[in-house]
Amino acid sequence: GESVGLHLPTLSVQEGDNSIINCAYSNSASDYFIWYKQESGKGPQFIIDIRSNMDKRQGQRVTVLLNKTVKHLSLQIAATQPGDSAVYFCAENKDTGNQFYFGTGTSLTVIP
Amino acid sequence: EPEVTQTPSHQVTQMGQEVILRCVPISNHLYFYWYRQILGQKVEFLVSFYNNEISEKSEIFDDQFSVERPDGSNFTLKIRSTKLEDSAMYFCASSWTDWGETQYFGPGTRLLVL
Repeated sequence: GESVGLHLPTLSVQEGDNSIINCAYSNSASDYFIWYKQESGKGPQFIIDIRSNMDKRQGQRVTVLLNKTVKHLSLQIAATQPGDSAVYFCAENKDTGNQFYFGTGTSLTVIP
Repeated sequence: EPEVTQTPSHQVTQMGQEVILRCVPISNHLYFYWYRQILGQKVEFLVSFYNNEISEKSEIFDDQFSVERPDGSNFTLKIRSTKLEDSAMYFCASSWTDWGETQYFGPGTRLLVL
């Protein structure tokens, strides 16, 4: 079956540094990906998405990179701030339906 | 900014009891979803709902689960006879379109089955 996984369960960075969170997916048919941020006690919050016809997409302080060859997704956060501390999930979707498959999450801690 | 709301925030129930989790999706959204997250595990899709019927469901969504949109604003998840393993955080989400559209999540209901 499909699986979405994250390489590192935890990541600690100094405030102001850049963060990179990685995600591997196994279903080559997936064509839409989302990064979510989940703060303690809250539901997942959309950060940025990317479709499979792209390899990079930029938002405000965030960039998502997609490497379909190795089925790898990454989230880059520039100038990480304490408010960025949260668990980050990647999720994948196939155009045959609206099920999203989530990874287990990476916990990002920003050290002031 | 419009948001998805869920009630209750926490629910404790005895094994075998029925529970109903309630959600108010964003008002102009047409697609509605339930997910669950067992403590420390990944978010798992349960079901999607559109035009008053289930459009997709996962293998988790068995006969003990049901969903309903009883009026123009609420979207409910019913668990008929709860089991210990149903203890989890249940998230409702809604979206304007289906494929590829971002889903907005509610804050979740934490269900504890004793």
